[in-house]
Amino acid sequence: EVQLVESGGGLVQAGRSLRLSCAASGFSFDDYAMHWVRQVPGKGLEWVSSISWHSGYIGYADSVKGRFTISRDNAKKSLYLQMNSLRPEDTALYYCAKDIGSSGRGGSWFDPWGQGTLVTVSS
Amino acid sequence: QSVLTQPPSVSGAPGQRVTISCTGSSSNIGAGYDVHWYQQLPGAAPKLLISGDSNRPSGIPDRFSGSKSGASASLAITGLQAEDEADFYCQSYDSSLSGYVFGTGTKVTVL
Repeated sequence: EVQLVESGGGLVQAGRSLRLSCAASGFSFDDYAMHWVRQVPGKGLEWVSSISWHSGYIGYADSVKGRFTISRDNAKKSLYLQMNSLRPEDTALYYCAKDIGSSGRGGSWFDPWGQGTLVTVSS
Repeated sequence: QSVLTQPPSVSGAPGQRVTISCTGSSSNIGAGYDVHWYQQLPGAAPKLLISGDSNRPSGIPDRFSGSKSGASASLAITGLQAEDEADFYCQSYDSSLSGYVFGTGTKVTVL
């Protein structure tokens, strides 16, 4: 069974940093692109970042570009999101999601999703 | 920001048919990028419902169907059941933004 378990969320002050992790199991992690998607509680979904299977392709939403860095360690079957210069508007539940392919580029979809880790940024 | 527009809510009685629209533009759905749909039950993570415009993953009931025309897509739920109460999101890719985009989300209520 494919499982994705996020961790690393918490309460942090504006301007500080946080690193999220996503531990994957049940599939060949290094064969698939991965994504981060966030959701403000009670609001809609927002794509954050994507990374291809070999980290050759990386994409970011404009709202986080220059502040967030996605990375992966295929040997550890883990996905990461380094979040710097955090803002109150970054407060959200952060999900990691598996791609159905390896590139992470357009046309793909997300399946499955983890349960999410909550990030709260105080001002 | 959501570039795909959905109605905030739709409702129907048990057994009825409801549809959810997802309106995009020439840089996403209209450009030919596939549309995918997710169901998010209360307190749960999103779950893939429809992929590639109209394909149901294994385990998804055939009461759910998807279609696409031009720059818009639709999700239809026939034989509405109480367990279908959830939020539904469409998703595609936008070439202008060079990233994935989600719809604004639609809450389905079973009367």
